[in-house]
Amino acid sequence: AQTVTQSQPEMSVQEAETVTLSCTYDTSESDYYLFWYKQPPSRQMILVIRQEAYKQQNATENRFSVNFQKAAKSFSLKISDSQLGDAAMYFCAYKGGGSNYKLTFGKGTLLTVNP
Amino acid sequence: NAGVTQTPEFQVLKTGQSMTLQCAQDMNHEYMSWYRQDPGMGLRLIHYSVGAGITDQGEVPNGYNVSRSTTEDFPLRLLSAAPSQTSVYFCASRTQGGSNQPQHFGDGTRLSIL
Repeated sequence: AQTVTQSQPEMSVQEAETVTLSCTYDTSESDYYLFWYKQPPSRQMILVIRQEAYKQQNATENRFSVNFQKAAKSFSLKISDSQLGDAAMYFCAYKGGGSNYKLTFGKGTLLTVNP
Repeated sequence: NAGVTQTPEFQVLKTGQSMTLQCAQDMNHEYMSWYRQDPGMGLRLIHYSVGAGITDQGEVPNGYNVSRSTTEDFPLRLLSAAPSQTSVYFCASRTQGGSNQPQHFGDGTRLSIL
């Protein structure tokens, strides 16, 4: 079974600084997808960024980017120019390829942004 | 666009009571699922469905039943609520097309069992 590990229960960053959230996963599959979801205090689950395992290029969405290291099974999220609105719980998630739709989540990292 | 709608938003039950959490989506998504979120545990899959009439168990199915009579609706039933089922419940849906398509989540139902 696939597992997703987020080793940092909590992180903090100063406004306008950069922070990196870690995620590692375990799988025997070669085709899979990785996601970062953000959950603010409103409790909504918001997709931040996604990465296809077959793509070598790291995904980027505005201030959010990933460092995808397939051999190391690592998928970290970098938030640049952190804003107060980035404060939230961040979840890393894994989905197998093909018709496998199930998401496996890590336990989350609580990010605090200090003004 | 409504997306994924969950009702109720909050609910308090007594041990042994039954209840149905409602989930509806208006995106014609084939795949729907239920997760529970507990402190320090992340989201764990309870049940899922790949289409009307088809359901299957996830990681933590005990104590919960589901059915999928229509594409739009995927209710989650607690037949005899237990304090261990106190949690926040999320319903999610996604299209079958495109393996990289994300799941769309409802806003969650906070359930307390006394």
